[in-house]
Amino acid sequence: LAKTTQPISMDSYEGQEVNITCSHNNIATNDYITWYQQFPSQGPRFIIQGYKTKVTNEVASLFIPADRKSSTLSLPRVSLSDTAVYYCLVARGNAGNMLTFGGGTRLMVKP
Amino acid sequence: NAGVTQTPKFQVLKTGQSMTLQCAQDMNHNSMYWYRQDPGMGLRLIYYSASEGTTDKGEVPNGYNVSRLNKREFSLRLESAAPSQTSVYFCASSEWGQNTEAFFGQGTRLTVV
Repeated sequence: LAKTTQPISMDSYEGQEVNITCSHNNIATNDYITWYQQFPSQGPRFIIQGYKTKVTNEVASLFIPADRKSSTLSLPRVSLSDTAVYYCLVARGNAGNMLTFGGGTRLMVKP
Repeated sequence: NAGVTQTPKFQVLKTGQSMTLQCAQDMNHNSMYWYRQDPGMGLRLIYYSASEGTTDKGEVPNGYNVSRLNKREFSLRLESAAPSQTSVYFCASSEWGQNTEAFFGQGTRLTVV
C-alpha cells in the first residue's frame, strides 16, 4: 500500500479556509484516497473519499491532481470544533481493504 | 442501530494477566480491524479480518491474537499483558469494494501495571 506523508500540525483561525495536503507517491491504479477526522477520546470518523479530480460533500472538499500523487483536504470556514487530528489514507478499492493510518495532521483552530 | 460496539470501555491488568477485548458490528460488514493508539500518536493496525474465517497480521501483531468468531464479532486477545501494551484499542469495520469508509467503536482504554 502507498505510504502517505502529511504535516504533523497546523494552526488556523476561526472562519479561515484550511487546506491539508497529503503526498502518496506510490499510489496504485485501484487505490482510493480517504480522509478521517479524530477528536480526543473518540474513534476516527470518515470525512471524504475520492479517486481523482474533485469531490465535495457537506463537510469538506477533496482535490486530487491528475497524477494522483497528492491530495488536498479543504475545510471551508473552520470553527473551534474543527480542532482535531486529520488522517489521510490510501486504500485499495477491492475486497479486504487493509486500512493503515499514518500519524495524521493535528489541526488547532484558534479564536 | 449500534454500529460498532466494544467491551469493556476500561480495563486495568497486571503484567502477565490475559484478557480478551470484544468487538461486534451490526452493519453486516465483511472486514473488521483492530488498532491501538498510544498517547499523541496515530493508529497502528494490529490485525484485520477481510472476511469471516480469515485473519491477517497488521503493522504491530506481536503479543496479540485474534478470532473472527462470525461475521459480526472480532475479538482481540492479550495472552500475557505487558506494560508496553498500555494503549487505547479501537475496533472498526468496513465493507468491501470502492467505498472504504470504516466505522469505529468507542475504544477500550487498557492500562497494564
